[in-house]
Formats: sequence, structure tokens, C-alpha cells
Amino acid sequence: KAGVTQTPRYLIKTRGQQVTLSCSPISGHRSVSWYQQTPGQGLQFLFEYFSETQRNKGNFPGRFSGRQFSNSRSEMNVSTLELGDSALYLCASSSGTAKNQPQHFGDGTRLSIL
Amino acid sequence: AQKITQTQPGMFVQEKEAVTLDCTYDTSDPSYGLFWYKQPSSGEMIFLIYQGSYDQQNATEGRYSLNFQKARKSANLVISASQLGDSAMYFCAMSRHANAGNNRKLIWGLGTSLAVNP
Repeated sequence: KAGVTQTPRYLIKTRGQQVTLSCSPISGHRSVSWYQQTPGQGLQFLFEYFSETQRNKGNFPGRFSGRQFSNSRSEMNVSTLELGDSALYLCASSSGTAKNQPQHFGDGTRLSIL
Repeated sequence: AQKITQTQPGMFVQEKEAVTLDCTYDTSDPSYGLFWYKQPSSGEMIFLIYQGSYDQQNATEGRYSLNFQKARKSANLVISASQLGDSAMYFCAMSRHANAGNNRKLIWGLGTSLAVNP
């Protein structure tokens, strides 16, 4: 069974640009969550989608947005990039929302802002 | 507010020995879950073990066990018989069970870097 696939693995952008990151969950998984990981702040929750609906949102500015398609694939968009957006962005999927279900993570997209 | 604290930035252990990684948490929710994940240098986050706040027994998964002390709000990970491949960052995370919509929103500690020496 293929794992969570994130593309691209690495991305270099400049300030002011926008970027779109993609996540394909494990087949059959309907919940997709996004996290930002930085050395100083650790992992911070961005948002979660389930059946194409955003169910939960973290404390990030509106420049961070996402969506989920009918096949459960998800995209995250960051507009007007800032230097502080440099981070590893992790996507995680799970088959449902049961409380003991772990999330399965992809390898992440490492975004560098110049 | 919910918070996870991992007080050990780095740990060393000899191969084949056991090691305990500390995790304390703060929450006022009566029901919650605690997860441990491993992150090798490659970046992928790997699920290790889960403990529910109402589970009667401590969770175990192979060489991993969770020492859950609810009154002390601690959920320490014990790795037995360490292997070189265990060298990685280890994260403790908490989920809220107040409603199903929240239990995907994990709150994370800053992690502990474990190095296993041959």
C-alpha cells in the first residue's frame, strides 16, 4: 500500500511569490492534515480536511489556505511568501476521525524562501 | 491551554540498552490521546504508539512501551534493547477528544533527539 506522497520534496522561492504544495493520502484515507515544522516552533497544525471540507484550522494568517479534492488529494497554498515561511511542511492522512487512529505522514516538502 | 513538554533536548544510549524519553502534558480535557512519533533525518514522521486517557493498561508496541501516569500527567516512552536505527528525533503529541472535529488537531512537543551509540 503506497504511503502519503508529497510533492515537490524541495522548493525554493523568493519573498512575495506564492506556492502550492500537493499531498496524496494513503488510498482510502479521507482525512488530510497539514503541519508546519520549524526548528524554533516545532510542529504547528495548519488545517485539516475531511471529505473536501475544512474541519479544523490552526492559528495561521489567511495567506495559508488549502483545499481537498473528491479523490481526497489535498493542496496547500501560501501566498505573498515571507522569509519566516521557510519550513518543512508535512501532510498526514488517516482513514477516519476515530480518536485512537494515528495519522500517517509523508516525507514533507522543504520550502526555502530567499 | 493544552501543552506538551519534552524536557530532554538530546539523549544518548548504548546499543542494546533501554532508554526512557520524557513527556509531560497539560490539559483540562477529561478525554484525550497521547501519541509518540519518530522522525529520522529523512524527515518522515513515523507513528510508534498511542495511549488513550481512559485506557486501563499502558500501551505496548513491540520494543516500545508507554509509561502513562495520569495523575502526574506524564506519558514517557520506553524503548527497550536500543538499536542503531533508533537514532532519530522523537515527538510526543496530544489530541483532544472533546469532539470528533478536534481529534485530528495534534499538539506537539519540541522533541528529543536520541543517539544510539554502538
